[in-house]
Amino acid sequence: EVQLVESGGGLVQPGGSLRLSCAASGFTFSDYTMNWVRQAPGKGPEWVSYIRGGSNPIYSGSTIYYADSVRGRFTISRDNAKRSLYLQMNSLRADDTAVYYCARERNLKSRYMDVWGKGTTVIVSS
Amino acid sequence: DIQMTQSPSSVSASVGDRVTIICRASQGISSWLAWFQQKPGKAPKLLIYAASNLQSGVPSRFSGSGSGTDFTLIISSLQPEDFATYYCQQAHSFPWTFGPGTKVDIK
Repeated sequence: EVQLVESGGGLVQPGGSLRLSCAASGFTFSDYTMNWVRQAPGKGPEWVSYIRGGSNPIYSGSTIYYADSVRGRFTISRDNAKRSLYLQMNSLRADDTAVYYCARERNLKSRYMDVWGKGTTVIVSS
Repeated sequence: DIQMTQSPSSVSASVGDRVTIICRASQGISSWLAWFQQKPGKAPKLLIYAASNLQSGVPSRFSGSGSGTDFTLIISSLQPEDFATYYCQQAHSFPWTFGPGTKVDIK
């Protein structure tokens, strides 16, 4: 079964840090581009970050994009050997409070997020 | 950034009704559009990709159309399990952006 499982969320004070993880199973993780998407309470989804997959070392893992709201504070990475995606979140703010989902793109040319985890909750509050 | 809008913001409908949701992009996105369904406490679920392609496993009562700036999601005959919030999302250029959502609830 294709599955993504997020972990690492929790309660953190403003200015603090968290590292989210996403464990993949049921598919060849290295072949797929991955994203983080978050959803604040009562709001719609907001795309956070992208990291390319695939076998081409020029692009895989080094083609990365961020939303303006997190650029400079969040860092996406992947460990294909561990079949895992990460999001290092620093300088957290109250408006980073959300459920964070990892999501797989259908294929390298598709750009569409077809598999999502159940999410992990991040609460930034003093 | 490309802004996505949706209308209506909510719709009340009955089982068996045909429901139409409109999504508009602030600039042309060709067919780089997805539709998601989300139920409370759950992750979004991909329904339609590339504006009109039905994702595997999604019932054929869902259909999508459009290109450029105007897109439509149609549920041809609403079923009880379809009551949810629907989002469009553009995948033309970063940052990927979502519409504000359309909530489909029971009349």
